[in-house]
Amino acid sequence: DTGVSQDPRHKITKRGQNVTFRCDPISEHNRLYWYRQTLGQGPEFLTYFQNEAQLEKSRLLSDRFSAERPKGSFSTLEIQRTEQGDSAMYLCASSFGLAGKTDTQYFGPGTRLTVL
Amino acid sequence: QQPVQSPQAVILREGEDAVINCSSSKALYSVHWYRQKHGEAPVFLMILLKGGEQKGHDKISASFNEKKQQSSLYLTASQLSYSGTYFCGTEIYEGGSEKLVFGKGTKLTVNP
Repeated sequence: DTGVSQDPRHKITKRGQNVTFRCDPISEHNRLYWYRQTLGQGPEFLTYFQNEAQLEKSRLLSDRFSAERPKGSFSTLEIQRTEQGDSAMYLCASSFGLAGKTDTQYFGPGTRLTVL
Repeated sequence: QQPVQSPQAVILREGEDAVINCSSSKALYSVHWYRQKHGEAPVFLMILLKGGEQKGHDKISASFNEKKQQSSLYLTASQLSYSGTYFCGTEIYEGGSEKLVFGKGTKLTVNP
């Protein structure tokens, strides 16, 4: 049973460049979440999908950020015109997503982004 | 709305006990506990779904006081492998959906 995977694990980019991260959730999981984590902080919610539908976006997610989950399987998170403040660990998590029920989110290893 | 964790850090000798607290100003639907080691993903420990619930496995247990809007994580007879940062995630209902809001974490160091 494979867990949540993310690619790449590390990304170094120059300010102003665009970057894209990929997340592959646990296969039978319907929900997929994106979080951002900075040093000394817990994961901060960015957005989540129920199958292919993006149901909520945090106010933290500026217009430069976009996420997709086109076929309800893997997801991509794109950051356009990166800024130094975007440097962080980007975590993906997935869960079964049972309607009206609390379920467990399983995290991937994260993509560490460094913007120079 | 971010839950508050205390203490921020704790250092133990192997075999000692620790308690990590998590409290929220908002009504809680559930509390999720995770442990994260440096450079790794948060790993799920346990979830508490209702007030009064207590759970545990091995020597790590937790309780959930719904009325006080707080949860505590208990680590007994700590092992070196318990070192890491512990996060509580509190489930809140906002904007028509549920989401997890995490505290800033409690860094636990267990020394031989």
